[in-house]
Amino acid sequence: EIVLTQSPGTLSLSPGERATLSCRASQSVSSSYLAWYQQKPGQAPRLLIYGASSRATGIPDRFTGSGSGTDFTLTISSLEPEDFAVYYCQQYGSSSYTFGQGTKLEIK
Amino acid sequence: QVQLAQSGAEVKKPGASVKVSCKASGYTFTSFYLHWVRQAPGQGLEWMGIVNPSAGSTMYAQKFQGRVTMTRDTSTDTVYMELSSLTSEDTAIYYCARTRGVVGVTWGPNFDYWGQGTLVTVSS
Repeated sequence: EIVLTQSPGTLSLSPGERATLSCRASQSVSSSYLAWYQQKPGQAPRLLIYGASSRATGIPDRFTGSGSGTDFTLTISSLEPEDFAVYYCQQYGSSSYTFGQGTKLEIK
Repeated sequence: QVQLAQSGAEVKKPGASVKVSCKASGYTFTSFYLHWVRQAPGQGLEWMGIVNPSAGSTMYAQKFQGRVTMTRDTSTDTVYMELSSLTSEDTAIYYCARTRGVVGVTWGPNFDYWGQGTLVTVSS
């Protein structure tokens, strides 16, 4: 099973700042099979990025996904108040899906 | 619009079973795979397994094999997840989620729609 490790665990930033979230895989992941989700308290996760770099429907262009192989990044160019949430990366492979443990993005 | 509507919260005693439902609407039920993902309090997301709504076939994560059963009812466009031999470690929110794979060809790599979640509490 591929293990995804996200860093940092918590990121404290102010609105308007740039956020960089990391997701590292224990073995190579096809870029086509790497996704990012946003989860707010009391809500289900929402798909942000699929195929490592494609934005899902309705996702603002301040969200950018990049990376390949074992290292993937989610960048939020200029934080809006509604962006403070928990973010998860997720991969699909070998008839299984795994998620990272999450990065909490909190207001500084 | 696509919606996945789940059944309400459950409280169960250790050793019991729970059955959660997920009713799909807004798309052709048999065209897309449905999954169950759980989230323990304050924890991350854990994939439990997949249902082929057309054929009814399933595959479960190794951790849950022998304890979980996923089924579907095409007359009501509903999938079910039953988990048995519950312990306190099964206390979690259980989500159904859809992937955009081609049924019978590929599961699909990411979850585009999610249910609202069902809280299952296991307590004596």
